[in-house]
Amino acid sequence: GAVVSQHPSRVICKSGTSVKIECRSLDFQATTMFWYRQFPKQSLMLMATSNEGSKATYEQGVEKDKFLINHASLTLSTLTVTSAHPEDSSFYICSASSGGGNSNQPQHFGDGTRLSIL
Amino acid sequence: DAKTTQPPSMDCAEGRAANLPCNHSTISGNEYVYWYRQIHSQGPQYIIHGLKNNETNEMASLIITEDRKSSTLILPHATLRDTAVYYCIVRYNDMRFGAGTRLTVKP
Repeated sequence: GAVVSQHPSRVICKSGTSVKIECRSLDFQATTMFWYRQFPKQSLMLMATSNEGSKATYEQGVEKDKFLINHASLTLSTLTVTSAHPEDSSFYICSASSGGGNSNQPQHFGDGTRLSIL
Repeated sequence: DAKTTQPPSMDCAEGRAANLPCNHSTISGNEYVYWYRQIHSQGPQYIIHGLKNNETNEMASLIITEDRKSSTLILPHATLRDTAVYYCIVRYNDMRFGAGTRLTVKP
């Protein structure tokens, strides 16, 4: 159980393109999902916390108009990188848990999306 | 602003126990300790978590000191496939990653 699916696994696109990444909890309902970004040889950096039915909470330094997050249902959150540029190239990872943001239930992670902007 | 401290790297011989330490001296009473690992180019994999009692599952054991200021993840019989970056995380309502420990299991 507790499977999180992330799609696509890899995207290569031209500068200026907007890219949408989907994160789905396959066998549980996720009130809260988290989005991370990971640059080569670095740790995961939390970008935002996504709550179903409400606006996402962004970490300091993360542009909310650049990284649009939608959490329209208890099993799906999307991250859209708008007008992507080469510096947005990174490994984007989502996570979810069945217990919501304040629960002790572990987060389960998707396999990540490797975004390459040419 | 991770709240944990881990050694940057460790080696372990295949078949031996791998003991990965983590310091979390500022942990609060309602914060759990979680362990994850990340194999190259994959999402983190949940291993185990605990509050104050020692925990064991099919993957590992978690030993938390009585004052809860540190913990140790134990992989009882490490295999080459256990080579990964291991993250110790103290969490209440979000999940912030530190640098982790790069464990290399050697033949």
